[in-house]
Amino acid sequence: DGGITQSPKYLFRKEGQNVTLSCEQNLNHDAMYWYRQDPGQGLRLIYYSQIVNDFQKGDIAEGYSVSREKKESFPLTVTSAQKNPTAFYLCASEGLAGAGELFFGEGSRLTVL
Amino acid sequence: GQNIDQPTEMTATEGAIVQINCTYQTSGFNGLFWYQQHAGEAPTFLSYNVLDGLEEKGRFSSFLSRSKGYSYLLLKELQMKDSASYLCAVRRSGNTPLVFGKGTRLSVIA
Repeated sequence: DGGITQSPKYLFRKEGQNVTLSCEQNLNHDAMYWYRQDPGQGLRLIYYSQIVNDFQKGDIAEGYSVSREKKESFPLTVTSAQKNPTAFYLCASEGLAGAGELFFGEGSRLTVL
Repeated sequence: GQNIDQPTEMTATEGAIVQINCTYQTSGFNGLFWYQQHAGEAPTFLSYNVLDGLEEKGRFSSFLSRSKGYSYLLLKELQMKDSASYLCAVRRSGNTPLVFGKGTRLSVIA
């Protein structure tokens, strides 16, 4: 079945540690996105990529990094520079950038201890 | 800049009709989307409007007025499973990423 998979679903990390969240899609979609969701804040865009080997900063990119070496994969690294990393992270893909609806993964909940 | 406003919470009775409003002020407009999100889950696509008017899809309808910067999502024959957050999102131009409002948490009560 085609879809978008995020892992891990739950993750705990200590302050000062980097952590990488995985996002894989087999929908053959060109565009991929990372959003962060906090209670009462809606979805805020971290990074996005519309084509392999290219990505753009979103509204809250500080403290995060991404790569897009393969069309199927768009991992997000939460670095120790991110001041408040505890949140629900959502990855999404879109057939062609701007084509229409987003398909979301099930999310990764990161808690910093 | 961009500003997308929705009510924070709403409550409605099972079997009733509820209208969730969304107003937007964005630098450009190329479509408005509604998503449903159950607690702890991923958002799922409900509807898309790019031209003025009403789009109907089963129990759900979405309306858009571009001149007023206004949309609403209408849910008919409410069911308990409709209890969820409803997210309004705008695409400003071409292929730019969606900008989301903060969402409206709907509670359906018996």
